[in-house]
Amino acid sequence: GEDVEQSLFLSVREGDSSVINCTYTDSSSTYLYWYKQEPGAGLQLLTYIFSNMDMKQDQRLTVLLNKKDKHLSLRIADTQTGDSAIYFCAECESGGYNKLIFGAGTRLAVHP
Amino acid sequence: EPEVTQTPSHQVTQMGQEVILRCVPISNHLYFYWYRQILGQKVEFLVSFYNNEISEKSEIFDDQFSVERPDGSNFTLKIRSTKLEDSAMYFCASRDRTTYNEQFFGPGTRLTVL
Repeated sequence: GEDVEQSLFLSVREGDSSVINCTYTDSSSTYLYWYKQEPGAGLQLLTYIFSNMDMKQDQRLTVLLNKKDKHLSLRIADTQTGDSAIYFCAECESGGYNKLIFGAGTRLAVHP
Repeated sequence: EPEVTQTPSHQVTQMGQEVILRCVPISNHLYFYWYRQILGQKVEFLVSFYNNEISEKSEIFDDQFSVERPDGSNFTLKIRSTKLEDSAMYFCASRDRTTYNEQFFGPGTRLTVL
């Protein structure tokens, strides 16, 4: 079945870049997503990438997709303390009613 | 900005009791979902709902679970006889017909079964 894996924890210094990695198994995924969860809040969509794209940039966020290796990454430039949160990688299965398959989430800690 | 709301934020119940988790999706959305996250584990899909019926459900969503959209605004998840292993954070989500399937999530209900 489909599976999404990501590392559980990342610590960076304020101002540095953060790179959060994810691997997935469903080669037929149509879209891949990065969600952010702050304490006490729901999952907020940060960005998404269509499966026929290699890269997407949105202000400080860069998403890279390597379809051959089924590897997705999220780069946050100039990481700020407000970026501290849990980041979830998710894939959307093709067809059906588009359930999301999530990874376990990467906790990003930004320190001064 | 419209948002998905969920109540209660935390529900404590005894094993074997029934619970109803409530969600108010964004008003013009058509597709509704429940997911859950057991502490320290992945967010898992439970069920999707469209056009007043279940469109897909996972193997977790057994006969103890049911969903309803009773009045056109609320979307509820009922667990008939809770088990200890039902303790989790339950997230409701909704979406419209966007091509990229953006699902808007509520803040979650933490269910604790004692």
